[in-house]
Amino acid sequence: KQEVTQIPAALSVPEGENLVLNCSFTDSAIYNLQWFRQDPGKGLTSLLLIQSSQREQTSGRLNASLDKSSGRSTLYIAASQPGDSATYLCAVRKETSGSRLTFGEGTQLTVNP
Amino acid sequence: DTEVTQTPKHLVMGMTNKKSLKCEQHMGHRAMYWYKQKAKKPPELMFVYSYEKLSINESVPSRFSPECPNSSLLNLHLHALQPEDSALYLCASSLTGTGVTEAFFGQGTRLTVV
Repeated sequence: KQEVTQIPAALSVPEGENLVLNCSFTDSAIYNLQWFRQDPGKGLTSLLLIQSSQREQTSGRLNASLDKSSGRSTLYIAASQPGDSATYLCAVRKETSGSRLTFGEGTQLTVNP
Repeated sequence: DTEVTQTPKHLVMGMTNKKSLKCEQHMGHRAMYWYKQKAKKPPELMFVYSYEKLSINESVPSRFSPECPNSSLLNLHLHALQPEDSALYLCASSLTGTGVTEAFFGQGTRLTVV
């Protein structure tokens, strides 16, 4: 069974800090890993998708890496801003699970002005 | 355009009511999904439609009835719900249902059952 774990569960940082969110998964037979952002009471916004053959993807101040063999991904946020405050979820699409996305529990990020 | 549109945004219904949630996308995606999300928890998959056919039902109670009238529309019909069904209901779509594919989510419908 695919399990996805995100550490830490919550993180509070001052504005301007660079930070790293972690995601680990037990089954390395994945098609892709996707990072999402969710604001309270809202839907999920796709941030980055990394295919299993890729090592990293970048979008603006965000950089996501993938080490499929060790079952780990990190989301690096540079120069954090109060507007980055949200819950960040990672999800994997497993080769044998068809259409299912398996989500981690999320990291709740607070960036303080 | 990477938009998935859900209506209504909020819904309050009694346990004897019948209501429907609607989801629409115009990205040409052929897979559409319904998820349920409780507070402080990740989304849980309910149903998957692939090429307008139901491909996955995650043992969801029959009081939830999905429908995919065409490749752009997805409905979730609700009947005789329980208070514990109160949650955020999310619709998502992806180009395909398998392989490397990016999922896009709507803003959700906040459902309260009274």
